[in-house]
Amino acid sequence: EVQLVESGGGLVQPGRSLRLSCAASGFRFDNYAIHWVRQVPGKGLEWVSGISWNSGVIGYADSVKGRFTISRDNAKNSLYLQMNSLRPEDTALYYCAKVSRAGEWYDFDYWGQGTLVTVSS
Amino acid sequence: QSALTQPASVSGSPGQSITISCTGTRSDVGSYNLVSWYQQHPGKAPKLMIYEVTKRPSGVSNRFSGSKSGITASLTISGLQAEDEADYYCCSYAGSGSSLVFGGGTKLTVL
Repeated sequence: EVQLVESGGGLVQPGRSLRLSCAASGFRFDNYAIHWVRQVPGKGLEWVSGISWNSGVIGYADSVKGRFTISRDNAKNSLYLQMNSLRPEDTALYYCAKVSRAGEWYDFDYWGQGTLVTVSS
Repeated sequence: QSALTQPASVSGSPGQSITISCTGTRSDVGSYNLVSWYQQHPGKAPKLMIYEVTKRPSGVSNRFSGSKSGITASLTISGLQAEDEADYYCCSYAGSGSSLVFGGGTKLTVL
């Protein structure tokens, strides 16, 4: 069974940092791109960042470029999101999502349950 | 990376068909056949319903279908059922910087 479990969320002050993790199981992790997607409670989905199976392709939304860094450790079946210079508008539920086909980038067949990040003083 | 445009809400009666539109630009929807659709029930993670404009993942009902014309993609749900009531989001590859862009979401109400 495919599972994605996010952790690392919490309450943080503006300007501080936070590191999210996503632990994957039930599939060949090093064959698939994985992305972060966030959602303000009660609002829509926003793509944040993605990383290819071998970390060769990485993308960021303009809203987080220069502040967030995505990475993965295939030996540990884990995905990370280092979030620096956090802003109140980064407050959201952060999902990790697996792409549906090996080698592809574009659509997500499995999602975690999310980890909530709240940026507030 | 502007969000794709979706209607805020649509509604239909059981058994009817509805269509949700998703309008982008020539840089995203208009340039790539890489539009996907997601269904999200309250408190749940999104579920992939359509990928690459028209393809259905295994297990998704054939009542769900997708199409695209120019810069507008569409999701059609036929034979509406009560369990279809949910939020629906489109998503497109946007090319530049390997980015993806979601629509603002559409709340479907089954009357």
